[in-house]
Parts: sequence; C-alpha cells; structure tokens
Amino acid sequence: ETGVTQSPTHLIKTRGQQVTLRCSSQSGHNTVSWYQQALGQGPQFIFQYYREEENGRGNFPPRFSGLQFPNYSSELNVNALELDDSALYLCASSFPSGRGVTGELFFGEGSRLTVL
Amino acid sequence: QQQVKQSPQSLIVQKGGISIINCAYENTAFDYFPWYQQFPGKGPALLIAIRPDVSEKKEGRFTISFNKSAKQFSLHIMDSQPGDSATYFCAAGGNTPLVFGKGTRLSVIA
Repeated sequence: ETGVTQSPTHLIKTRGQQVTLRCSSQSGHNTVSWYQQALGQGPQFIFQYYREEENGRGNFPPRFSGLQFPNYSSELNVNALELDDSALYLCASSFPSGRGVTGELFFGEGSRLTVL
Repeated sequence: QQQVKQSPQSLIVQKGGISIINCAYENTAFDYFPWYQQFPGKGPALLIAIRPDVSEKKEGRFTISFNKSAKQFSLHIMDSQPGDSATYFCAAGGNTPLVFGKGTRLSVIA
C-alpha cells in the first residue's frame, strides 16, 4: 500500500506566474484535501475534493483552484502568484464515512513553493 | 478568526518528563479532535484522536484529555524522549474540514 505522494517537492516561481502541484492519494481513499502551511504556522484548509467534485472550500481566493481525477489523484493550481503564496502545500487523502465528513487525514510530505 | 487556539508555542522538557500541550476550540459542532506530529521536512502524521463521547483516551505514552463543557482538550506525553522532539498540532473537525492550531514545538533534552 503506497502512501500519499506529492510532486514536485520544491519549486521556485516569480510573482505573477502560475503553478500546478500534484498529489496521488493513498490506495482506497476517495477524498483529497489541500492545505497551505506557512512557515511556523498550522495547516490551513484550502479545499477538498470528493469523487471529483469540490466538497468544501476555505478562505482562499478563486485563483486557487483544483481538480480531482477518476483515479482520485488531484491537482492544485494557483494563478497570479503572490509573495504571500510562499508556503508548504500539503495534500491529504482520506476515506470519509459520508459526504462532508472528514475521516482520518493521511498527509503527503508536501510541495514547498517559494515565490520571488 | 482562529477557531482552535493552541498553547504553548514552544516547550522544553527533560527526558523522562511529562509534556503537556493545550488546545481550546470555539465551534460546538466539532466532534473529532486529533493530534498530529510533524518532523522537519515531513507532512503531519496522526498521533491520537478523540471524540467527545469520552473524556480521556490513552495510547501508549500519549493521552488526550477532553473537557467538553470547557471546550478544551490536551495532549500529555509521558516519559518524554528525545525522539518525541517535533512540532505538535491539535485540530478539530468532524462534519467540517479539520481546523488546525498553530502548533507547539517540543524539544526533549537529555
């Protein structure tokens, strides 16, 4: 059984550019959540995908968008990057007991984004 | 608005001592309270979790104490070891996405 894998592990972008981060969920998990973790802070919820549909969104602007694919892998896209977008982006997969219910989250090691 | 408040921000404990980290929440709809452990360069990993139908849960050296009326819960690490040195996050959720505290950096010194 493979865990949650994320790519790339590190990347550097400049302000105004766009970035796509990828996540493969743990085998058997149909829900993916994305979190942003700024340096020295706790993870902040961006959004969640359940069976390819967005199933909840945190306080992030529309330039943060995502996708979930039929194999439950997911992408996080961020447009018009700003300096404050520099953070560790964490993907977590889970198998909830029902729509909207958060099960145990299994996190990947994250993608560290630096915006210059 | 911070829904989960965690303290202390950092903690230094002697090897063999007890580490205690506290969290308070605001939303009474929360019904799932996990603690996550994060090592540098790694993602958070679930340590232990509790639901509000019990006041305490113990797994090995780790214990969660839960006070529903006070809307508080805490993590106790007994016989703390240098390998426990990490950042610990409390979180709250259930029918809503998990909300995390800001974290506590624990250092266990010999």
